[in-house]
Amino acid sequence: GESVGLHLPTLSVQEGDNSIINCAYSNSASDYFIWYKQESGKGPQFIIDIRSNMDKRQGQRVTVLLNKTVKHLSLQIAATQPGDSAVYFCAEATNTGNQFYFGTGTSLTVIP
Amino acid sequence: GAGVSQSPSNKVTEKGKDVELRCDPISGHTALYWYRQSLGQGLEFLIYFQGNSAPDKSGLPSDRFSAERTGGSVSTLTIQRTQQEDSAVYLCASSLWDSSYEQYFGPGTRLTVT
Repeated sequence: GESVGLHLPTLSVQEGDNSIINCAYSNSASDYFIWYKQESGKGPQFIIDIRSNMDKRQGQRVTVLLNKTVKHLSLQIAATQPGDSAVYFCAEATNTGNQFYFGTGTSLTVIP
Repeated sequence: GAGVSQSPSNKVTEKGKDVELRCDPISGHTALYWYRQSLGQGLEFLIYFQGNSAPDKSGLPSDRFSAERTGGSVSTLTIQRTQQEDSAVYLCASSLWDSSYEQYFGPGTRLTVT
């Protein structure tokens, strides 16, 4: 099966600082990567995605970086806010889009 | 508009009993996914429906698990003869199946097998 893992299970940051959440993947054939945010008691919420033909994609306060050479994905959150506290998952899929492989998640805690 | 809904939100059942979990996807979404999330773990793919195509059942952990999607909309995940290891949150997601593959998740059903 696929292997999608995260370097750190927990991350604490001060409010206003930038956060970086990392993810390693193993399937070089994956061509679609997604970051999800999951708050306690809720289902995951889509944050941002990136295709394998891109290195970087920016959204509102978030940036996803893809390094295919080392099979590494990162999510950067600018000016982290208390509302950003959640578990963040990365996921990968091939271009058929019918199976997504999720990592175990990183728990982000924002310290006011 | 309405998001993905799931029912029940919580289900406690005795070992050996059958359970049915329901998912109402977003109207118009042709793709529907079921996942299982154990405590502190990532999401484990179970099954995928896309339009009228045969479902991808490759993630179902055993033949005690089955799922249906009637009329291309509502889906039911059935677990027969439940075991304690089936305890988890079962998440449903739907997607437009456009170029983004963006999935919209429901709140999940927390299943506890005693």
